[in-house]
Amino acid sequence: GESVGLHLPTLSVQEGDNSIINCAYSNSASDYFIWYKQESGKGPQFIIDIRSNMDKRQGQRVTVLLNKTVKHLSLQIAATQPGDSAVYFCAERMKGTYKYIFGTGTRLKVLA
Amino acid sequence: KAGVTQTPRYLIKTRGQQVTLSCSPISGHRSVSWYQQTPGQGLQFLFEYFSETQRNKGNFPGRFSGRQFSNSRSEMNVSTLELGDSALYLCASSLGGEGQTHEQYFGPGTRLTVT
Repeated sequence: GESVGLHLPTLSVQEGDNSIINCAYSNSASDYFIWYKQESGKGPQFIIDIRSNMDKRQGQRVTVLLNKTVKHLSLQIAATQPGDSAVYFCAERMKGTYKYIFGTGTRLKVLA
Repeated sequence: KAGVTQTPRYLIKTRGQQVTLSCSPISGHRSVSWYQQTPGQGLQFLFEYFSETQRNKGNFPGRFSGRQFSNSRSEMNVSTLELGDSALYLCASSLGGEGQTHEQYFGPGTRLTVT
């Protein structure tokens, strides 16, 4: 069953194109960030993380960019596939805590 | 290695009742966090446990409580249920110790419906 917002911003991308999903985080003292993917009826799935002492990290087909000056995080997905269709969340961890704050999420739709 | 498991997966309760949800973390993970997910509020942090101690708490009323056992399994309890407590309750586990990686892995959630 659905478990995410009904009025999320939506990004529609043609299959094979690159996707860029953006996130503005709230706390300048946050020291660790994670991107999650959530498919309908499932829990969030870890994609990639980055610490605040880095500005870029690459995984398989994914890249996360961190701009601490403007408190902005982005997730780049290369060669987007139909299986990438999901809701994507960024999460920030407040420094000195084990508490994560999640963004509102972006729905990614991959067009065939 | 088995993932995070949550039981039950679905639950229907009546206003005023109480409910207990269970979470078993990934083997070796000692930190368990709980989240509430609703369409209107998104994912909101409830609390986090490590080695049977609550280290952090979110902004939820005292009706929401939790605990962690010596085997790292965790339970959360909601008393005097309200209609607004209907949500997907997610549990996440991580190694959680100082100097350890902080990757957090989620279970499938428990869908709670309050009528």
